[in-house]
Parts: sequence; C-alpha cells; structure tokens
Amino acid sequence: AQTVTQSQPEMSVQEAETVTLSCTYDTSESNYYLFWYKQPPSRQMILVIRQEAYKQQNATENRFSVNFQKAAKSFSLKISDSQLGDTAMYFCAFGTGNTPLVFGKGTRLSVIA
Amino acid sequence: AAGVIQSPRHLIKEKRETATLKCYPIPRHDTVYWYQQGPGQDPQFLISFYEKMQSDKGSIPDRFSAQQFSDYHSELNMSSLELGDSALYFCASSLRTGGSRSRYEQYFGPGTRLTVT
Repeated sequence: AQTVTQSQPEMSVQEAETVTLSCTYDTSESNYYLFWYKQPPSRQMILVIRQEAYKQQNATENRFSVNFQKAAKSFSLKISDSQLGDTAMYFCAFGTGNTPLVFGKGTRLSVIA
Repeated sequence: AAGVIQSPRHLIKEKRETATLKCYPIPRHDTVYWYQQGPGQDPQFLISFYEKMQSDKGSIPDRFSAQQFSDYHSELNMSSLELGDSALYFCASSLRTGGSRSRYEQYFGPGTRLTVT
C-alpha cells in the first residue's frame, strides 16, 4: 500500500517570500502521479500542480513548482512570491492514474502580511 | 469551464436517519470518486465508479451505498446515520481514457457538509 507523509503540520511565510512544503511517499509502483492540492478556508479542494513519475523535468505552474526526487521518493512544493491568498491547507497526494488518491495529513500554511 | 457539482451543499440529519448526496461530474469525465473528510483530517476514499461500474472500494461503511447512473451522475446513500458520519463529503471526477493532458487529474466538487445531530 502507498503512504504519503507530510512532516510539517504548520508553516508560515512572509508575504512575497518563498516557502517550500515537504512530502515523501512510499510505493512499489514504477508509474504513478503526484499532486499538490490546496484547501483554503472555504474547504474547496483545488488542484495546484501535478507530476508524472516518468518525467524527469520538474513541473511548474506560475508561482508554484515542485522538486521531484524519484529515488528519494520526495516531492516538495515551492511557492514563490507568496501571497495572502496562498493561506490554506496543502495536501500532497499519490495516485496511479486509475486508482483513488492517497493523501498526506496536510500542511497548514499561513502567509503573513 | 464546467466544474463538479454537488448537492446539497449542507445537510443536517438526526441519528438513524438517511441521507442522499448527489454528484454531477465534469462533462465527458468517465470516473467518479467519493471521499470523506472529517474535521482536521485528510480526505479518505470511500468508493469510485468507472463508466457506471464500481471500480474501487475503500473504507465505506456497510450502511453506505453508491451508484452511478446512465447520465454519469452519482449518488451516495447513507443510512442509519451516526454522529461520527458528520464530515465533508467530496465527489471528484477524472478522465481515464484518451490523450488529454489532464488525464488522471481528479477535480473536486465543493463538497457536501453533513452534520448528524
């Protein structure tokens, strides 16, 4: 069974600064997908970014980028130029495409003005 | 772009009552997932459907059942409700087939907040 671990329950960052959220996972699968979801106070689950395991290039989406280290089974999220609207719970998730997502426990990020 | 629709958004029931949650996936998506998120918890998978057939089953209580209809909408039926069933219930949809760049991405609805008193 796959497991996802987020070791930082809470983090804070100053507005306009950069912050990195950590995620590690364990799997015996060779082909899989990794995701970061954002859950703001509204509790909507918003897909932020995804990474295919077979791609070596790290995914980027505007101010969001990932550092995917397949051998280390690590998948961190970097948020650049943090904005107040980035304040949310962030979940790392693992999937194999045709299967349900397995989520980490989440990291609560607070962006401070 | 069209998103996943869930209804109702809020539901208050008493213990031992029944509840039905509805989900309308993104058009042309062929897979629907149901997740339960308790307070301060991460989403936990309940059940999924692919092309109207049950695909995977997670930690769904026997008191719960679900199905996907010919128009691809899905319903989660919950009976003999317990206080512990109070949670946010998400439906997510995705596309398994085809060569879309967004293939396998799961898009979540706004959730149904169920409160059992």
